Amino acid sequence: DSGVTQTPKHLITATGQRVTLRCSPRSGDLSVYWYQQSLDQGLQFLIQYYNGEERAKGNILERFSAQQFPDLHSELNLSSLELGDSALYFCASSAEWGTTEAFFGQGTRLTVV
Amino acid sequence: AQTVTQSQPEMSVQEAETVTLSCTYDTSENNYYLFWYKQPPSRQMILVIRQEAYKQQNATENRFSVNFQKAAKSFSLKISDSQLGDTAMYFCAYGSGNTGKLIFGQGTTLQVKP
Repeated sequence: DSGVTQTPKHLITATGQRVTLRCSPRSGDLSVYWYQQSLDQGLQFLIQYYNGEERAKGNILERFSAQQFPDLHSELNLSSLELGDSALYFCASSAEWGTTEAFFGQGTRLTVV
Repeated sequence: AQTVTQSQPEMSVQEAETVTLSCTYDTSENNYYLFWYKQPPSRQMILVIRQEAYKQQNATENRFSVNFQKAAKSFSLKISDSQLGDTAMYFCAYGSGNTGKLIFGQGTTLQVKP
C-alpha cells in the first residue's frame, strides 16, 4: 500500500459526460501529480500541484482541469468526454516539489462508451 | 524537452537467471533523477530503484541494481536471481529536479519463465 488513495477505482460513463477523479496523497506529502496511461500514448504527465498551487503542466487537454484543496487532496475533472479519453488515470504524491520518489495510487480506470 | 527511450518492448528470462533492461534518456538539465518502476498485472506502479544524477555510485536495492552512465545518458536495470513475481512491465522514468514531474519510457514487458 503506497498510502495514496484514489477513488473511484473504476468508472464507466458515456461520451459527452463529465467526471471527477479524487486523490488523497500520502500523509504529509505536499505535491500531487496526475498521469494518464493509455495504450497508444503510454504514461503521460498531465499536471502537478504543490501545496495548493499549480506547479507544472504537461499534455493536459483543455477539457481537463485539476485542483488541490487546502487539505491537500486533489481532484481531476474531465469534461466533454470522448472515447479516446478511456485510460488509467494515476495520482502520485511526493514530499516536496523536487524529485524525491513519487508514490502512486492504484489508479482510476475510466471507460468512456 | 526530456525524452526517455526503452528499446526492448519485450524480454524473457529463466527463473534464477539475470536480465538487464535498457534505457536511454535525453536532457539538458543538470538536476535530475532516474527511476525504474514496476507495473505488475494489478496495474499498481511500484518504485523499484532510484538514482540521483549527481551521484556516481550506482544504486542497488537487493536483487535490483542499475548501471548509470551519465555521459552516455544510459540507465539500465539489472535483475539478479529473477523470480516469477518479477514478471511485470518495467518503466524507466526521468524526474526533473526542478518540478518532480516524471517522463516515462514506453516500457519493457518482462516475463520470468519457470
